[in-house]
Amino acid sequence: GAVVSQHPSRVICKSGTSVKIECRSLDFQATTMFWYRQFPKQSLMLMATSNEGSKATYEQGVEKDKFLINHASLTLSTLTVTSAHPEDSSFYICSARNRGSPLHFGNGTRLTVT
Amino acid sequence: AQTVTQSQPEMSVQEAETVTLSCTYDTSESDYYLFWYKQPPSRQMILVIRQEAYKQQNATENRFSVNFQKAAKSFSLKISDSQLGDAAMYFCAYRSVRGYNNNDMRFGAGTRLTVKP
Repeated sequence: GAVVSQHPSRVICKSGTSVKIECRSLDFQATTMFWYRQFPKQSLMLMATSNEGSKATYEQGVEKDKFLINHASLTLSTLTVTSAHPEDSSFYICSARNRGSPLHFGNGTRLTVT
Repeated sequence: AQTVTQSQPEMSVQEAETVTLSCTYDTSESDYYLFWYKQPPSRQMILVIRQEAYKQQNATENRFSVNFQKAAKSFSLKISDSQLGDAAMYFCAYRSVRGYNNNDMRFGAGTRLTVKP
């Protein structure tokens, strides 16, 4: 089946630094990728939708200058958390699909900002 | 906007027994998809079952089945012959099929299922 690879699985960074998370579709072309955030014991909250070659569409309340999303190719989308703060610590999950195909999820990235 | 509600934060079932997880949703659309995802401690999102709204027949996948009541906007998941490996968070999700947001998925708050040996 379709596989979505997310890297890194865990990252610890210092406050004020930036962190990049990669999401790759390994065996299909992902026309659309989604980035979710999940706080402990809570549901997945959609942060943004990115279509290959165009700017990401952010959900209300998500700072686009803080969470930079790049979807430069049909197999790769990146989420960069800029100037990270402890409150950005969370579990970030990407998902990908190709047009009418089902959604495939990455394994997630646990970000800890110290 | 569509909303998904899971009113059971936690559920418990005895191994080999049957359990039903509830989900309701709110939408003005007539065509959409509904899903149940399982999230074990590994945090990987695993698709359990999906239902197309235009299909009247309830979806079934081995021990997992749904009771889809479109008029009532209800989509419950039944797990038969529960196994220890079924213990996880279960999320109900809705996805529209049209409009600029036709790709994104809206999740309920989740239900944590415990399976007792």
